Amino acid sequence: RKEVEQDPGPFNVPEGATVAFNCTYSNSASQSFFWYRQDCRKEPKLLMSVYSSGNEDGRFTAQLNRASQYISLLIRDSKLSDSATYLCVVNKAEGYSTLTFGKGTMLLVSP
Amino acid sequence: EPEVTQTPSHQVTQMGQEVILRCVPISNHLYFYWYRQILGQKVEFLVSFYNNEISEKSEIFDDQFSVERPDGSNFTLKIRSTKLEDSAMYFCASTWTGNTGELFFGEGSRLTVL
Repeated sequence: RKEVEQDPGPFNVPEGATVAFNCTYSNSASQSFFWYRQDCRKEPKLLMSVYSSGNEDGRFTAQLNRASQYISLLIRDSKLSDSATYLCVVNKAEGYSTLTFGKGTMLLVSP
Repeated sequence: EPEVTQTPSHQVTQMGQEVILRCVPISNHLYFYWYRQILGQKVEFLVSFYNNEISEKSEIFDDQFSVERPDGSNFTLKIRSTKLEDSAMYFCASTWTGNTGELFFGEGSRLTVL
């Protein structure tokens, strides 16, 4: 089983659509979870952390299910500028900042 | 806004040559990292560095790789004898604490080995 597995994508959606990304991770010792965004041929940038209770940042909502080792990201009201690859990221274990990245799911938002 | 800077942005080298990739982390950060991303693949951890020593390294980071922080500002990755499979984008990252997932990445150095 891959350490961090994501939907292969790409997802093609029209502006204004709601889109959901799914991710599973294999390391039960992971304690910290994140979504990063990577634009084409650019560096990854932190989009948001994912907390056990779920959290929201504007149009973005992240959920975590530790029992299922599952993470999700929901984007509402998609904008053209949301087009990017979304990376699911987990840390190795508590106290470690070493990150394990998923391969990412590409999102293409069209007018 | 402070940022991590990397040089060169692109380097082309012959197989077997030594390459040094340079990074200037954000000035008040204490933890430094190198990651790499082969084209079309995921971002992979290479090494973490804290207090002037390696704190963790991956299986990828074999004897051909080394890191150092020679002067308190630069953080370098050296590949002693490059192989074709070393062709990738190499990202430097830094952060102020060892217990965070918010890494600040540089724009990357693209290494092409011919």
